[in-house]
Amino acid sequence: EVQLVESGGGLVQPGGSLRLSCAASGFTFRDYSMNWVRQAPGKGLEWISYISSTSNIFYADSVKGRFTNSRDNAKNSLYLQMNSLRAEDTAVYYCARSFLYSYYYYMDVWGKGTTVTVSS
Amino acid sequence: DIQLTQSPSFLSASVGDRVTITCRASQGISSHLAWYQQKPGKAPKLLIYAASTMQSGVPSRFSGSGSGTEFTLTISSLQPEDFVIYYCQQLNSYPYTFGQGTKLEIK
Repeated sequence: EVQLVESGGGLVQPGGSLRLSCAASGFTFRDYSMNWVRQAPGKGLEWISYISSTSNIFYADSVKGRFTNSRDNAKNSLYLQMNSLRAEDTAVYYCARSFLYSYYYYMDVWGKGTTVTVSS
Repeated sequence: DIQLTQSPSFLSASVGDRVTITCRASQGISSHLAWYQQKPGKAPKLLIYAASTMQSGVPSRFSGSGSGTEFTLTISSLQPEDFVIYYCQQLNSYPYTFGQGTKLEIK
């Protein structure tokens, strides 16, 4: 079964750091690009980062310079290092797999998410 | 950044109705658009990609159309489990962006 499982969320103070993980199974992880998407409480979806199979990376402006997306293909894992956290980073964080269709990527498999709360 | 505007934001309908949700892009995105369904407390589920291609396992009552700047998601005959939130997303260029969502409510 194709599956993504996020972990590492929790309560952190403003200015603090947290590292999220996303464990992939049921598919050849190294062949796929991956994304992080977040959803603040009661709000819509916000894409925050993409990483290709060869670690080309893009970020949303809202997290650029504070968050670092990375992957370890040997461990079938995706990571999001989050530094200088702000209250507005409070959200459920999802990892999502990208698949290629007609030269463009779409996101077909999502994890259940991990909750990050930034508060003093 | 490309802005996506969904309309309506709230839609009241009855079981069996045919409904259409519109997603407008601030600039042309060809057909590089996806639609998702999100149930409360759950991750989004991909329904449609490339504007009109149905994801495997999605009921045939869901369909998508459009290109350029205007796109639609149509549900041909609403079922009770369809009364949730729908999002469009453009994947034409980074940063990928989502519409604000459309909440489908039972009339």
